[in-house]
Amino acid sequence: AQSVTQPDIHITVSEGASLELRCNYSYGATPYLFWYVQSPGQGLQLLLKYFSGDTLVQGIKGFEAEFKRSQSSFNLRKPSVHWSDAAEYFCAVGASGNTPLVFGKGTRLSVIA
Amino acid sequence: DGGITQSPKYLFRKEGQNVTLSCEQNLNHDAMYWYRQDPGQGLRLIYYSQIVNDFQKGDIAEGYSVSREKKESFPLTVTSAQKNPTAFYLCASSRRGGENYGYTFGSGTRLTVV
Repeated sequence: AQSVTQPDIHITVSEGASLELRCNYSYGATPYLFWYVQSPGQGLQLLLKYFSGDTLVQGIKGFEAEFKRSQSSFNLRKPSVHWSDAAEYFCAVGASGNTPLVFGKGTRLSVIA
Repeated sequence: DGGITQSPKYLFRKEGQNVTLSCEQNLNHDAMYWYRQDPGQGLRLIYYSQIVNDFQKGDIAEGYSVSREKKESFPLTVTSAQKNPTAFYLCASSRRGGENYGYTFGSGTRLTVV
C-alpha cells in the first residue's frame, strides 16, 4: 500500500521569500501525486498533479512541484510567497486501479510581513 | 457551476444520537469519498463508493455507515457507536480512475458532540 510523509508540521516564511514544502511517498510503482491546499474551515483545492511525463509540473497560484523518483519525493515550491498563501498544504499519493488517495498529515504555512 | 455541496456546515449532536451528514454532487462523478480530519492527523478515509449501490470501508469505518442509492448523493451517518465523533468531515468525488484526475472536495461539515 502507498503512504505519504510530510516531515514539516509547521513552516513560517516571510512574505516575498521562497518556499519549499517537502513530501515523501512510498509506493512500488510509478505513483500518482497531488498537492492540495486548504484554507481554515474549508475544503481542499487541487494545486497540481503528476502521473507521467515532465517531472516538473506547474500548478495554480504560481506553485510548482518536482517529482524525483530516486528520492521518492514530490516537493512543492513557490519563488515568492504572498500573505494569501497562508494555509495548510496536503500531499497525496494514488495508485492505479481506483484505489483511494492517501493523504499526508499536512504542513501548515504561516506568512509573516 | 458544478460542485459538491455538504450540509450542514456545523452540526451539534448529543451523546447517544445518530446524525447524518449530507453530500451531493452535480459533477456526474462516479466515485465519492468520506474523509475525517482531526488536527495533526491529516485526512483519514472512512468510506468510499465507486458506483451506485456499492461502497467499501476505509481505514476508520467503525461507528459510521453510508448509502449510495443515487449517483449524486453519498450521505454519511455517524452512529452512537462512534466513540469520538467530534471532527471535521470532508466529502469528495472523482471521475472513474480518480488517481488520474484528483478529487473535488466539498467545504466540509464540522460535527461537535455536546
